Amino acid sequence: GAVVSQHPSWVICKSGTSVKIECRSLDFQATTMFWYRQFPKQSLMLMATSNEGSKATYEQGVEKDKFLINHASLTLSTLTVTSAHPEDSSFYICSAPRLGGADTQYFGPGTRLTVL
Amino acid sequence: QKEVEQNSGPLSVPEGAIASLNCTYSDRGSQSFFWYRQYSGKSPELIMFIYSNGDKEDGRFTAQLNKASQYVSLLIRDSQPSDSATYLCAVNPHQFYFGTGTSLTVIP
Repeated sequence: GAVVSQHPSWVICKSGTSVKIECRSLDFQATTMFWYRQFPKQSLMLMATSNEGSKATYEQGVEKDKFLINHASLTLSTLTVTSAHPEDSSFYICSAPRLGGADTQYFGPGTRLTVL
Repeated sequence: QKEVEQNSGPLSVPEGAIASLNCTYSDRGSQSFFWYRQYSGKSPELIMFIYSNGDKEDGRFTAQLNKASQYVSLLIRDSQPSDSATYLCAVNPHQFYFGTGTSLTVIP
């Protein structure tokens, strides 16, 4: 079964509004989670690393003030897209490593964001 | 982003054939290598991982790693139409960097 969940699975919002996406590890604790963005027919692009108890680490070119990340607990990270614009429309996917195994990333099912 | 390159495809193979997917990476410090499958509109799902040079087999899938050449590949034997998807190669020293993916179509 799924080990990482995301909510919502899809969202449509008006330009200028903010959207929060939740990522939860279901049966394990994740001190680190990763947020990716994927545009149509393109690969996953790592946006930021979410760290429980400390600030997120953003990849080059990703605006930290626009994409707010909060790792509220060992099982929850949230990504807030602030003042969303149509160019932010994308597929947002989180992942979490499940330690003690193969250092494998488990991906959430993704959130489809459409900004009108 | 670290550089991970894949043959972009699209790759088409007939049902029952062997599909070969290739990936090269630039960071010699990379320690673990992963192959994911992604269906359209879905998030990636892990197929297999490999750490050591050589071959690793899991059912119809075989991953091959050559660290000296910085090359990792995925072979799919007896390809099925359900294997039609985009295959992503990922390398991990500390984070995950993905290749652009290879689109595979298995023709019935």
